[in-house]
Formats: sequence, structure tokens, C-alpha cells
Amino acid sequence: GGIITQTPKFLIGQEGQKLTLKCQQNFNHDTMYWYRQDSGKGLRLIYYSITENDLQKGDLSEGYDASREKKSSFSLTVTSAQKNEMAVFLCASSGDRGAETLYFGSGTRLTVL
Amino acid sequence: GDSVTQTEGLVTVTEGLPVKLNCTYQTTYLTIAFFWYVQYLNEAPQVLLKSSTDNKRTEHQGFHATLHKSSSSFHLQKSSAQLSDSALYYCALSSNNRIFFGDGTQLVVKP
Repeated sequence: GGIITQTPKFLIGQEGQKLTLKCQQNFNHDTMYWYRQDSGKGLRLIYYSITENDLQKGDLSEGYDASREKKSSFSLTVTSAQKNEMAVFLCASSGDRGAETLYFGSGTRLTVL
Repeated sequence: GDSVTQTEGLVTVTEGLPVKLNCTYQTTYLTIAFFWYVQYLNEAPQVLLKSSTDNKRTEHQGFHATLHKSSSSFHLQKSSAQLSDSALYYCALSSNNRIFFGDGTQLVVKP
């Protein structure tokens, strides 16, 4: 088995601040994802990456940057934190883009003051 | 485009009674697979069921779902709900190398 580790679990920032969320997986999966979870709005895709150094925009990419410098890690940067984007950010990975099960990390909860 | 609809935001059921969570979808691409994910409080979402075969019943942990392409549905059912089933349930589909989630249904099982 494997695990997805997200750091930090809780992130508090000031409005306008640049904030980075990190994700590590030891499944040796090719594809990694960042989702944003808002209450009552499901899981919305921010970015995904099908291999090292690849980046694909999701439906909610505006205001975010991502980086996949290694196969095992995928980071997400909030370029300018806003109060209306307080949410839980979930990282996930899968062995085959789309066809296989997603494995999720336990999330980073973002609070913007 | 592709989308998944879960009509109920909240379903409340009494322990021991049957429960059904609805899921319908729209897809314009080749859809590879359909999923139900479950998220318990303060935990990560995890897969509950997966199916890619039309009209075939898939079961796991007492839950079952049957993909019906004729009605674009993949409803989740259980014959006897347990208190431990209380959680957030997501229906999802993978299509054109993307994964689309519904908004989720919160299931509350009461004693």
C-alpha cells in the first residue's frame, strides 16, 4: 500500500499573501491532482499533472499555480489568498489518468484572515 | 460537457432501513468508469465502488450500484443502513482523461 501526505494540515494566511501547499505520494503513481472542497460544492479540480514537469489546468486554476518537479511530489501555490477561498484542499494520485481509482490525502484546511 | 448530478444534498434515514443515493450523469466523451467515493468525518475520500460495465451490479461493504447507461444513472443503495454509514458520498465519472465529481450527498443515519 501507499500513502499521500499533505502538509501542512492547517494553513492560516493573510489576505493577499502567497501560500504554498505540499503533497507527497509513495504509490509511484504517474498522475497527481489538486482539488478544492467547499461545503455543498463538491470537489473542483484546480490542477493535475500526468508526469513529472507536466501541468494541466482544471476548472478552478485561476489564482493558483502548481509545480511537479518530482514524480512523488506536487505542490500548489495560492498566488494571492482571498477570504472567499477558505476551503479544504485535497491532493490525490492515480496510476492511470481517469481509468483508475483516485487515492486522496487527508487535506489542508486553509483559513484566510 | 461532462457532469454528474446528485440531487440530494442531505439524506437522513433510520438505522436498519434501506437507503438510496441518486446519481445521474451527462457525458459527451468516451466514459471509462464510474465511481462512488465516501468521506467519513475528518478523513480523506476513499473509493467505495467502481464500475464500467452496463447493467452489472457492483457491491462492496453492503452497498451496491448498477450502471444503467440507458438512463444515465449510477445510484447507490443499501438494504439496511448502519450508524457507521453516516458520511459524505460522492458520485464520479472518468471521461476524456478527466474525473468529474457530483456535489456530494451527506448521509445521516439516525438510531
